[in-house]
Amino acid sequence: AQSVTQLDSQVPVFEEAPVELRCNYSSSVSVYLFWYVQYPNQGLQLLLKYLSGSTLVKGINGFEAEFNKSQTSFHLRKPSVHISDTAEYFCAVKKTGFQKLVFGTGTRLLVSP
Amino acid sequence: DADVTQTPRNRITKTGKRIMLECSQTKGHDRMYWYRQDPGLGLRLIYYSFDVKDINKGEISDGYSVSRQAQAKFSLSLESAIPNQTALYFCATSLGQANTGELFFGEGSRLTVL
Repeated sequence: AQSVTQLDSQVPVFEEAPVELRCNYSSSVSVYLFWYVQYPNQGLQLLLKYLSGSTLVKGINGFEAEFNKSQTSFHLRKPSVHISDTAEYFCAVKKTGFQKLVFGTGTRLLVSP
Repeated sequence: DADVTQTPRNRITKTGKRIMLECSQTKGHDRMYWYRQDPGLGLRLIYYSFDVKDINKGEISDGYSVSRQAQAKFSLSLESAIPNQTALYFCATSLGQANTGELFFGEGSRLTVL
């Protein structure tokens, strides 16, 4: 069965510093990969997705992620974070041709001044 | 107005009570889902439906049931609530034939079972 591992449950960072949130997945077949963000007291919204093509994917709010097939990773990065980026971030994977999305356990990003 | 609307947003109930969480959507999507979110566990799929006549169990369906009353409506029931069903519940939708996996979420229903 496919699975998603987010190694860090919480990442504290200062405002304007760069950040990387890590995501690894296990699958021997082609996958679609997603990052979702959940702001406090809200539902999840899509940040970015990788379906095919370029391995560097750009999303909303200045975030980007790089698909690395050999390392089965899809790490999320932002060069300079803002206080408003404080939220929980979920990585998710879907096997192509399968119906269900599998989520990681989430990483809470805490941005302080 | 939200494309995916969940009611109630918050509910406190007692052990043994029957609870229904409702979800309606205006996105015109065929597929609807119910997820449960617990701290440290991420989101886990309870049930999903690909159309009105298609209902499928997810990874944690025990203790839950669902009803797809129409394309736009998908409700989740707890027949006899227990404290470990205290969680944040999310409804989500996705496209049908062109589904790449992208989900559109409601704002969540926080359920507390005492």
